[in-house]
Amino acid sequence: GDSVTQMEGPVTLSEEAFLTINCTYTATGYPSLFWYVQYPGEGLQLLLKATKADDKGSNKGFEATYRKETTSFHLEKGSVQVSDSAVYFCALRNTGANSKLTFGKGITLSVRP
Amino acid sequence: GAVVSQHPSWVICKSGTSVKIECRSLDFQATTMFWYRQFPKQSLMLMATSNEGSKATYEQGVEKDKFLINHASLTLSTLTVTSAHPEDSSFYICSAPDDLRGDEQFFGPGTRLTVL
Repeated sequence: GDSVTQMEGPVTLSEEAFLTINCTYTATGYPSLFWYVQYPGEGLQLLLKATKADDKGSNKGFEATYRKETTSFHLEKGSVQVSDSAVYFCALRNTGANSKLTFGKGITLSVRP
Repeated sequence: GAVVSQHPSWVICKSGTSVKIECRSLDFQATTMFWYRQFPKQSLMLMATSNEGSKATYEQGVEKDKFLINHASLTLSTLTVTSAHPEDSSFYICSAPDDLRGDEQFFGPGTRLTVL
């Protein structure tokens, strides 16, 4: 079945540091890939997405590129801020799967001033 | 963006009682809603797909008689945990795709259930 693997956390960075959160997936077919963010006390929000190989999703300074050859969708940001502190989930949705999402375990990011 | 609410945000109950959790799409219609369960430091696990006007579709290993789902309108789905036990304590999250936007799912803030 489909699965998503995220790097182990938590991650603690200083403000303005470079961020990489690894995500790899296993799926049949051609899934769409997503990053969701959950800020403290709030529901999950879509951060960015990519629907086909080599697509790059970007939002709020975050980027992720759909790499079919390595089955990866790593999240990056060049300079993190304290307000980026949250839990980040990588997810996939396979074709014909009536919008069901498969999530990774999530990783907590804490950014120090 | 579209908003999904959940009520209550947290609940504590005694073992053996039933608890109902509501999920509402506030500004859009959703013929489908999804119910997830999240354990500490673990991923969201899909429990069931709630379909307006028809029976819910449960994932493998989820007891449909224990987790009753009703999707009576285009903006409301309810999850009832029947005869709750301490092992049912968890964080329950619902989501709904906006029928008009299709691709994106909108998540509720979650409900923390603690069974004593």
